[in-house]
Amino acid sequence: AQSVTQLDSQVPVFEEAPVELRCNYSSSVSVYLFWYVQYPNQGLQLLLKYLSGSTLVKGINGFEAEFNKSQTSFHLRKPSVHISDTAEYFCAVSTANQAGTALIFGKGTTLSVSS
Amino acid sequence: GAGVSQSPSNKVTEKGKDVELRCDPISGHTALYWYRQRLGQGLEFLIYFQGNSAPDKSGLPSDRFSAERTGESVSTLTIQRTQQEDSAVYLCASSSQGQIYGYTFGSGTRLTVV
Repeated sequence: AQSVTQLDSQVPVFEEAPVELRCNYSSSVSVYLFWYVQYPNQGLQLLLKYLSGSTLVKGINGFEAEFNKSQTSFHLRKPSVHISDTAEYFCAVSTANQAGTALIFGKGTTLSVSS
Repeated sequence: GAGVSQSPSNKVTEKGKDVELRCDPISGHTALYWYRQRLGQGLEFLIYFQGNSAPDKSGLPSDRFSAERTGESVSTLTIQRTQQEDSAVYLCASSSQGQIYGYTFGSGTRLTVV
């Protein structure tokens, strides 16, 4: 069975500071990895994904994540955050090369950006 | 439609009553997923539909939960004899090619059982 652990439930930061949201996964097979974002009063939307190839993936709004197979991690980073980045962020995993399996989500990390 | 539509957006029901939650996926999306999000928790997978294949019901928490989908259109999630622990936001998502291209989520139905 697969699982996802988001190590921080809440991350408060000041505007223009860098941020890292941590995600570790557990799986006995190859995986696809995703980050979703949920802005206040909005639905979840895809931020970025890792399927294969380069381990550094770039997403929307200046976010990027790095897949580290040896550490089974997929941490999300942004060098300088804005107030508008305040949201809940979810890491998710699914089995690679197996179409149709459901994503397994972590419990989420609330990013709060203040001025 | 332009997005995944869920109705109602909010539902308050009395313990023991049955409820039906509706999801209208993006036209042409063959895959449809239901998740539950309890307060302070992550998204819990409930059920998955792919075209005309048998649904993956492995996430349904009890036999009080059931879901239907007709072809590649609307899906209904039914909770019978609701309990207070069923209170949560129920999210629906659809996808055109399974998980590879990412899901499009609806805004959810907030269910409160009193």
